[in-house]
Amino acid sequence: EAQVTQNPRYLITVTGKKLTVTCSQNMNHEYMSWYRQDPGLGLRQIYYSMNVEVTDKGDVPEGYKVSRKEKRNFPLILESPSPNQTSLYFCASSLKIGSPLHFGNGTRLTVT
Amino acid sequence: GIQVEQSPPDLILQEGANSTLRCNFSDSVNNLQWFHQNPWGQLINLFYIPSGTKQNGRLSATTVATERYSLLYISSSQTTDSGVYFCAGMYSGGGADGLTFGKGTHLIIQP
Repeated sequence: EAQVTQNPRYLITVTGKKLTVTCSQNMNHEYMSWYRQDPGLGLRQIYYSMNVEVTDKGDVPEGYKVSRKEKRNFPLILESPSPNQTSLYFCASSLKIGSPLHFGNGTRLTVT
Repeated sequence: GIQVEQSPPDLILQEGANSTLRCNFSDSVNNLQWFHQNPWGQLINLFYIPSGTKQNGRLSATTVATERYSLLYISSSQTTDSGVYFCAGMYSGGGADGLTFGKGTHLIIQP
């Protein structure tokens, strides 16, 4: 089944403890992206990747890192999480930028 | 970047009713898409509709790119249609890094 898989679905952590949210797609998509969703603010792009080893900042990149070593994987790394990064995170992929976008099921992160 | 305005922000309807959701863009866009976020938080791509009209069951969408808007029609609403509907587009003038999303229309269908 064609899908975007995110893990974990729920994560509670403490300030400053490094964490990684994994994202994998099995559709051979070139474009992958991370979004955060907050009440009243909609979906905001954190980072995106046009292809392997090509990543760039979105609208709200501060406090996040990404890597794209393989085409299928696009992990989101929070080196030192803070409470303002408490949010619902989505990974998404599409064949190319602008093509129909497919989302993972989301990761709800709470930083205390 | 472009601004995406969705209306109405909230909508409460009885089961069986029809509705129209609107999406306006501040500049010319392409790759326009509509998404449904169900009550469990999943985001599903409903339509990829850069122009023209498409239909999928009780849902249809129309994009008038020259006038910078798109409409999503839901007919004979069911409770499972509840959730948040997002539209998104990409600035067609070049340099865009992906889709820009509106803030969504929160739809509640009451039985």
